[in-house]
Amino acid sequence: DIQMTQSPSSLSASVGDRVTITCRASQGISNYLAWYQQKPGKVPKLLIYAASTLQSGVPSRFSGSGSGTDFTLTISSLQPEDVATYYCQKYNSAPYSFGQGTKLEIK
Amino acid sequence: QVQLVQSGAEVKKPGASVKVSCKASGYTFTSYYMHWVRQAPGQGLEWMGIINPSGGSTSYAQKFQGRVTMTRDTSTSTVYMELSSLRSEDTAVYYCAMTGELGYWGQGTLVTVSS
Repeated sequence: DIQMTQSPSSLSASVGDRVTITCRASQGISNYLAWYQQKPGKVPKLLIYAASTLQSGVPSRFSGSGSGTDFTLTISSLQPEDVATYYCQKYNSAPYSFGQGTKLEIK
Repeated sequence: QVQLVQSGAEVKKPGASVKVSCKASGYTFTSYYMHWVRQAPGQGLEWMGIINPSGGSTSYAQKFQGRVTMTRDTSTSTVYMELSSLRSEDTAVYYCAMTGELGYWGQGTLVTVSS
């Protein structure tokens, strides 16, 4: 099975900072990658699909890139409301594994 | 609009089974696969399996093979996830979801396994 590895597992940054989270697949998955944001006690929210397509209604400060095995989620200017845990998920074929998550906090 | 409405919280004893339902509306039920994902307290998201509502075919994560059964009822646009031989480690919020490029999730169902 393909493993999804996110880094870092936690991250502290200041408001206005550029933040980058990476996700690596153990084998190529083309661009079948989604990014989710989950705030405490809430349902995960889709941010990006197809590695780089912004879901409707998601602020443009979020962007995704990558293909094959290496992917990144970037927040261009961190806002207080971005405090959350972020997950990547592959969806090319079963098993549709998630990364272990990256917890983002404000410094 | 698409809605996925799950059944309510459950408390089960170790060794028992639980069956969680997810009623879909706002789209053609048989057009999109449905996933089940769980999240233990303070932990990450864990993919459990997928069902094709059209034909009923399923694919389960290896970890749950033999313990999980996913079914659907096309007459009520409902999918079900049954997990058997429950243990304390199965305490989690269980979600139905249309993941990938769709991004629709149910509200979650808390299953507590405790003696």
